[in-house]
Amino acid sequence: EAGVAQSPRYKIIEKRQSVAFWCNPISGHATLYWYQQILGQGPKLLIQFQNNGVVDDSQLPKDRFSAERLKGVDSTLKIQPAKLEDSAVYLCASSLAGTGANYGYTFGSGTRLTVV
Amino acid sequence: GDSVTQMEGPVTLSEEAFLTINCTYTATGYPSLFWYVQYPGEGLQLLLKATKADDKGSNKGFEATYRKETTSFHLEKGSVQVSDSAVYFCALEPNRDDKIIFGKGTRLHILP
Repeated sequence: EAGVAQSPRYKIIEKRQSVAFWCNPISGHATLYWYQQILGQGPKLLIQFQNNGVVDDSQLPKDRFSAERLKGVDSTLKIQPAKLEDSAVYLCASSLAGTGANYGYTFGSGTRLTVV
Repeated sequence: GDSVTQMEGPVTLSEEAFLTINCTYTATGYPSLFWYVQYPGEGLQLLLKATKADDKGSNKGFEATYRKETTSFHLEKGSVQVSDSAVYFCALEPNRDDKIIFGKGTRLHILP
């Protein structure tokens, strides 16, 4: 079974620039998550999708972050404009609908963003 | 709100030593509890889980018991190996909710 694919693996941008990350979940996984992991901290949920609908985006900084999952499969997360404090690893995860973490999320390897 | 607190790292042990990484949680309702591991250069992997009080999760020689009375889920291993060097995250899933709330992580170094 293919895992959760993310790209790019690394990205360096200047502050105030824009950046986009892509995620392709495991086939058949209806639920998709984006987490932000700042160095030295645990991952924090940014947004959760069920198919192409948003379930939870309460911790997404909506003034600069946006995410979409138009066809209920792959997803993009965008930051515009980026700030220094956005430097982090952005993790995508997926799970079967309705099972949540009890059956184990599958995480991608993440995109490491450095804002200079 | 719901939260997880785990011991600060890094933790450095010699090979074959006994390992304990403490984790306590705050949650309303009846959360599921997890330990995730992140090996160098790799993504997060589920190590073990427990879904109700007194459950014991185990995997790869690691164990953790869901203690509701002390709101704890401490990770233990009887004899660690160099290959166990990684960052370990304690986490919870609030009742009937898909999101995971993570602790800050504990970096473990095992010396040969």
